[in-house]
Amino acid sequence: GAGVSQSPSNKVTEKGKDVELRCDPISGHTALYWYRQSLGQGLEFLIYFQGNSAPDKSGLPSDRFSAERTGGSVSTLTIQRTQQEDSAVYLCASSTYTDTQYFGPGTRLTVL
Amino acid sequence: GQQLNQSPQSMFIQEGEDVSMNCTSSSIFNTWLWYKQDPGEGPVLLIALYKAGELTSNGRLTAQFGITRKDSFLNISASIPSDVGIYFCAGQADSGNTPLVFGKGTRLSVIA
Repeated sequence: GAGVSQSPSNKVTEKGKDVELRCDPISGHTALYWYRQSLGQGLEFLIYFQGNSAPDKSGLPSDRFSAERTGGSVSTLTIQRTQQEDSAVYLCASSTYTDTQYFGPGTRLTVL
Repeated sequence: GQQLNQSPQSMFIQEGEDVSMNCTSSSIFNTWLWYKQDPGEGPVLLIALYKAGELTSNGRLTAQFGITRKDSFLNISASIPSDVGIYFCAGQADSGNTPLVFGKGTRLSVIA
């Protein structure tokens, strides 16, 4: 079946601009996660959605970062007023309530 | 944020050799996971471990969940060129509904 998809695959933006990254989880998966992977680093948790519960935003690095999940499916991660240190690969994962997380291919964000 | 201590950081081995990498944590995890990431792709799950002391194999891969629940190792036997990539360990406090905590990865290079 279809896996987690993310778009765009690459995004180049200028410092100060806003960007939106999209994640389409596996159909039927109730949980959705966003992670960030900086060059040469492991994945860093950003935000987590589980069903209709309030999202766990504890990993968001600043108030410039936000995410929403519409209809319990597609999610959008928004970064406002991008900075060069925001450059990274942004990965989305989804899971059922008890299953392991399956990752999308990521969006590579470059802030010039 | 929290990260696991993963070692070695990189390995260069001859095709056919066995490989061992490990992960330690100051915190207890109830699930340990090992992922492999190829360039331009998201991490792909290799092995999931759910019980302290558990030893699990997946083909040429073997992983163990440490008895203290603070460590895990991954072994790859008889390495082949397609084993090249970055291997990540990840810990999860509660199965299925909490974010993963990742190590920084072990970059494996296989020399034919």
